[in-house]
Amino acid sequence: DTGVSQDPRHKITKRGQNVTFRCDPISEHNRLYWYRQTLGQGPEFLTYFQNEAQLEKSRLLSDRFSAERPKGSFSTLEIQRTEQGDSAMYLCASSLGGSTTGELFFGEGSRLTVL
Amino acid sequence: GDSVTQMEGPVTLSEEAFLTINCTYTATGYPSLFWYVQYPGEGLQLLLKATKADDKGSNKGFEATYRKETTSFHLEKGSVQVSDSAVYFCALSPSGGGNKLTFGTGTQLKVEL
Repeated sequence: DTGVSQDPRHKITKRGQNVTFRCDPISEHNRLYWYRQTLGQGPEFLTYFQNEAQLEKSRLLSDRFSAERPKGSFSTLEIQRTEQGDSAMYLCASSLGGSTTGELFFGEGSRLTVL
Repeated sequence: GDSVTQMEGPVTLSEEAFLTINCTYTATGYPSLFWYVQYPGEGLQLLLKATKADDKGSNKGFEATYRKETTSFHLEKGSVQVSDSAVYFCALSPSGGGNKLTFGTGTQLKVEL
């Protein structure tokens, strides 16, 4: 499968614990995005990378959230001291840099439930 | 800032019925417009797109026309099938290149026999 893959698909944690999600983009894509989707809403932009550089962060990304893409390939999204409001689907997407049409390729998402 | 408004669902249709899902947007300049679809248990996937005014995007029998004058990008299909049951998201990317997409809230479509 050469699509975007995310791991884990589901995570249940207790409030206050740390969680980490991993995203493996399509191999030739140099841009990688993280979105968050809550029930009944569309995906909301969190952050994006071009290669290993994090170029933009949304105000939704509080200090408890950190994303990395150390070698310009896979990326991790860590949430520290989770809160119940962090419960959501976390989506990763990738694209080719230089594309002017904005087409993104999405993974199936990582669902987080904070108890 | 940029925003997308789409009609609320769920929309329930009989097979072979005509489908319209309304989408309007607010953005500066000339954004690119998209419809993404999310089938049950699957990730979002691009359905169609249009990158400039009056362009018509089409795929799998679905169509949408980029109307600058009404800031709209309504999704249509002449005859829906049960397999079209999914959640449909309208989205835009800003003028000058797609760093990020702004999505609408999604419209759930259920097609019955």
